[in-house]
Amino acid sequence: DGGITQSPKYLFRKEGQNVTLSCEQNLNHDAMYWYRQDPGQGLRLIYYSQIVNDFQKGDIAEGYSVSREKKESFPLTVTSAQKNPTAFYLCASSMGDPRRGYTFGSGTRLTVV
Amino acid sequence: AQKITQTQPGMFVQEKEAVTLDCTYDTSDPSYGLFWYKQPSSGEMIFLIYQGSYDQQNATEGRYSLNFQKARKSANLVISASQLGDSAMYFCAMSREGYSGGGADGLTFGKGTHLIIQP
Repeated sequence: DGGITQSPKYLFRKEGQNVTLSCEQNLNHDAMYWYRQDPGQGLRLIYYSQIVNDFQKGDIAEGYSVSREKKESFPLTVTSAQKNPTAFYLCASSMGDPRRGYTFGSGTRLTVV
Repeated sequence: AQKITQTQPGMFVQEKEAVTLDCTYDTSDPSYGLFWYKQPSSGEMIFLIYQGSYDQQNATEGRYSLNFQKARKSANLVISASQLGDSAMYFCAMSREGYSGGGADGLTFGKGTHLIIQP
């Protein structure tokens, strides 16, 4: 079955280190997204990409970077410039038909130790 | 800018009763979409239902229906005959529409409502 795979499920990082979260989809969707979720909060958009080799900043892009070299992959790097990186990170994709909704991965929980 | 407001942080409902989860929105976009997602404790986001701003009829998907009142800018989710498995966080979200050349530019989410179904 098609879907989105995020890895790892849990990730621990020391302060000052960069870390990369993986997001792979086999749905043949053009658009991909990264969201951040803090406890008791809704999701906030970090970055999105509507096509390969192109991406745009979302509402909270500072301290994050992305790449979109392949249609299937949209990795997110949490850099040392991100002041408060501990959060739940969700990757999503869309085929452009809103009636199908956006498909989400199962998330990566990042903890800074 | 778009904004979603969910005013019910938590709700307790008896099993088999109907549930209404409130959602109001604000946007200056002429065309937009409204979504509801369910997030169980495992964390994944499950798409429930979608309503386009120009849709004439309220959306329905099985036990889920969306009570769309455009003039009041509300998009409440109604769950009929609630089940224990409905216990989860529920998020209302919206997107801009009318873009060409690929996907939309993402969803704006509310803070969610924690629904607990009691036996």
